[in-house]
Amino acid sequence: GAVVSQHPSWVICKSGTSVKIECRSLDFQATTMFWYRQFPKQSLMLMATSNEGSKATYEQGVEKDKFLINHASLTLSTLTVTSAHPEDSSFYICSAPRRQPGQLYEQYFGPGTRLTVT
Amino acid sequence: AQKITQTQPGMFVQEKEAVTLDCTYDTSDQSYGLFWYKQPSSGEMIFLIYQGSYDEQNATEGRYSLNFQKARKSANLVISASQLGDSAMYFCAMRGGSVDSSYKLIFGSGTRLLVRP
Repeated sequence: GAVVSQHPSWVICKSGTSVKIECRSLDFQATTMFWYRQFPKQSLMLMATSNEGSKATYEQGVEKDKFLINHASLTLSTLTVTSAHPEDSSFYICSAPRRQPGQLYEQYFGPGTRLTVT
Repeated sequence: AQKITQTQPGMFVQEKEAVTLDCTYDTSDQSYGLFWYKQPSSGEMIFLIYQGSYDEQNATEGRYSLNFQKARKSANLVISASQLGDSAMYFCAMRGGSVDSSYKLIFGSGTRLLVRP
């Protein structure tokens, strides 16, 4: 079964409003989570690294004041798209690394959230 | 800086035949990991196979195998006995081994595979 969940799976909002997307690790603790954005027919672009108990690390070109990330617990990270515009319409995917036997970290991806800004 | 390159935007393969999806990478890390993911139209990311930079043998997982050529910095995915359900986007990804990489994945541009009946 799924080990990382996202909510909502899809959302439609009006331009200028804010939208919050949740990412939860279901049966393991994740001190780090990653947020990706995927435009239609394109690849996943890493937006930021969410760190439990500290500030998120944003990739170059990603506006930290527009994409607010909060990692308040070991199982929950949230991404808030503030003052959304139609160009923010995209597929947002989170992932969390989970340690496997032998020190390998496997990335578990959430099912994604499709955001449409009208 | 790390970079993943997938040069095939789209590929066709006949059902039951094998297909190779290309992936080359660039990194200055000595320790790194290479991944292949499948993304069907639903959007979920499905993990297929992993190859560590120090692994001497090519990784295999069922019908998937990874042709790892370290000197050429390539990590091609081979799918044998293609099935209609293999039609999807395929992404090659890399994770660095340095502390700075913090286990994040960098993705290639993807290859859309269409399996013909």
